[in-house]
Amino acid sequence: GNSVTQMEGPVTLSEEAFLTINCTYTATGYPSLFWYVQYPGEGLQLLLKATKADDKGSNKGFEATYRKETTSFHLEKGSVQVSDSAVYFCALSLQRGNTGKLIFGQGTTLQVKP
Amino acid sequence: GAVVSQHPSRVICKSGTSVKIECRSLDFQATTMFWYRQFPKQSLMLMATSNEGSKATYEQGVEKDKFLINHASLTLSTLTVTSAHPEDSSFYICSARSGTGGQPQHFGDGTRLSIL
Repeated sequence: GNSVTQMEGPVTLSEEAFLTINCTYTATGYPSLFWYVQYPGEGLQLLLKATKADDKGSNKGFEATYRKETTSFHLEKGSVQVSDSAVYFCALSLQRGNTGKLIFGQGTTLQVKP
Repeated sequence: GAVVSQHPSRVICKSGTSVKIECRSLDFQATTMFWYRQFPKQSLMLMATSNEGSKATYEQGVEKDKFLINHASLTLSTLTVTSAHPEDSSFYICSARSGTGGQPQHFGDGTRLSIL
């Protein structure tokens, strides 16, 4: 089946620390991969995406590389800020023969302290 | 670009009331819209998928008669929670997507529904 697994949170970091949130997936097809961020009381915002192997998605200092050999899409940021505190969701969507359903990981809460 | 507007952002109403939530894509045509439910500190649970002009496809365990979905145009989908009860209280989020395949979904800001 298709599934996404994220590292458990909460992840607590000091400002300017390096961030990694691990995400691995299983998929029967050839998925597109996404990271979404959810701030308290809000919906999800697309953070970045990658549609094929070795693609690197990047946005607002965050990066993730589509690794087919390790079926991973880990999220990284070199220097986090307090404003990055949120819940981060890794997700996949199958590209073919599919309505575009997103399969989400369980979410990882990031807390950044000043 | 790719803005999705969801309204209302918060609803508080009495048990037995029906509540309608609107989801609009403001700057693109949404061939597909999705409705999710999210419980506190949990991931999103897909409730149904709707394509413009077609009946919605509901996920297993979601009551069709309870959660009515209408996708009348390429920019508007509505979710009506009929005869709502306290157990229906939750955070409901819609998303919209243009095209097919690996296109990303764009999410609304959610609706906090509280049934007294």
